[in-house]
Amino acid sequence: GAVVSQHPSRVICKSGTSVKIECRSLDFQATTMFWYRQFPKQSLMLMATSNEGSKATYEQGVEKDKFLINHASLTLSTLTVTSAHPEDSSFYICSARMQPNTEAFFGQGTRLTVV
Amino acid sequence: GENVEQHPSTLSVQEGDSAVIKCTYSDSASNYFPWYKQELGKGPQLIIDIRSNVGEKKDQRIAVTLNKTAKHFSLHITETQPEDSAVYFCAARSVEYGNKLVFGAGTILRVKS
Repeated sequence: GAVVSQHPSRVICKSGTSVKIECRSLDFQATTMFWYRQFPKQSLMLMATSNEGSKATYEQGVEKDKFLINHASLTLSTLTVTSAHPEDSSFYICSARMQPNTEAFFGQGTRLTVV
Repeated sequence: GENVEQHPSTLSVQEGDSAVIKCTYSDSASNYFPWYKQELGKGPQLIIDIRSNVGEKKDQRIAVTLNKTAKHFSLHITETQPEDSAVYFCAARSVEYGNKLVFGAGTILRVKS
């Protein structure tokens, strides 16, 4: 299957700082990328959908000013957690797909720990 | 919106036995049903998927069946091996829900050797 690379795989940051997570589709052009958050032993919770060149669409309850998403090219989307707090600690996962009716492939996830 | 329920939440089988995980969905407009395997600390990996115009699909030891009338689909793993141990998620996708995936709660599969 197609490859989606997410970086970094782990990051520790101090409270109040911002951290950026990158999601790249390595062998295909992704018109749409998705960002999920996953708490321990729980399912994936969709945070936002981003289409290349447009503003991201956020799910209800997700603060767009706290979780900034940029999808500037067909192979790269970034999620920036601004002014991070310990409650933002979680596993963040991106996925990407070529067209609306095609498979979605996931990155390897980023474990964020805010201390 | 779509709602996906997944059972069981945990499943233990003996190596070599079969494992079955079941999901139901609520939106009759859903037309794509993937299954993902997630190992500890990693992202989900697509293992098999099925579209609404097909009733069954098989790939080696893995098969998925879909019953559109009853709105349920199942994952079947035969001849289980210890490396099959992981968390498995089903999902459903509907055009009416913006082509976004809605996930089940997950099933922890343990294969005992």
